[in-house]
Amino acid sequence: QKEVEQNSGPLSVPEGAIASLNCTYSDRGSQSFFWYRQYSGKSPELIMFIYSNGDKEDGRFTAQLNKASQYVSLLIRDSQPSDSATYLCAVQSLYTDKLIFGTGTRLQVFP
Amino acid sequence: DTAVSQTPKYLVTQMGNDKSIKCEQNLGHDTMYWYKQDSKKFLKIMFSYNNKELIINETVPNRFSPKSPDKAHLNLHINSLELGDSAVYFCASSQGPAEETQYFGPGTRLLVL
Repeated sequence: QKEVEQNSGPLSVPEGAIASLNCTYSDRGSQSFFWYRQYSGKSPELIMFIYSNGDKEDGRFTAQLNKASQYVSLLIRDSQPSDSATYLCAVQSLYTDKLIFGTGTRLQVFP
Repeated sequence: DTAVSQTPKYLVTQMGNDKSIKCEQNLGHDTMYWYKQDSKKFLKIMFSYNNKELIINETVPNRFSPKSPDKAHLNLHINSLELGDSAVYFCASSQGPAEETQYFGPGTRLLVL
């Protein structure tokens, strides 16, 4: 079992729709959860992080965490073509501080 | 005013050669990292230094040797390059080892022929 799992996609949504990106993790000692966006040929950039169960909103982005289910998600409201990218879920262990990345979900937003 | 910079951006070389990648950050951060992203986009940590000391050393062939001359620099030297070393190598930095935000450099695209 991979430590951090994501559906590779592509996830295709029409402009203006809600895009839902999901991630599961195996280490129950994980304490911090991150969503990075990576455009093709570019470096990852942090969108959001979340520590506590529940929802965290930042503009059009909402991160959701459920530690009991070992599940974290990212919702993108009013999706734009400029949101088309690969979204990487990353999990930080309580014991090692290192980030473990998933393989990413490719999102395509079509006009 | 690049926060994390890497050189070179592209590196094409023959098997068996030795090469180095350099990384510099001007953010005043204490912690720096090397990541490898393979052709399937899987991003995996290789090394991390905090204040010039090695704190994370993943299962990486000993052909890879990081070196941090000071807090702002973290270089990666690779000996006897192999085909499987072809990947994008990203440097990153953060305020400290447990800080939430890691800032990534632009990446070095290494192709071993």
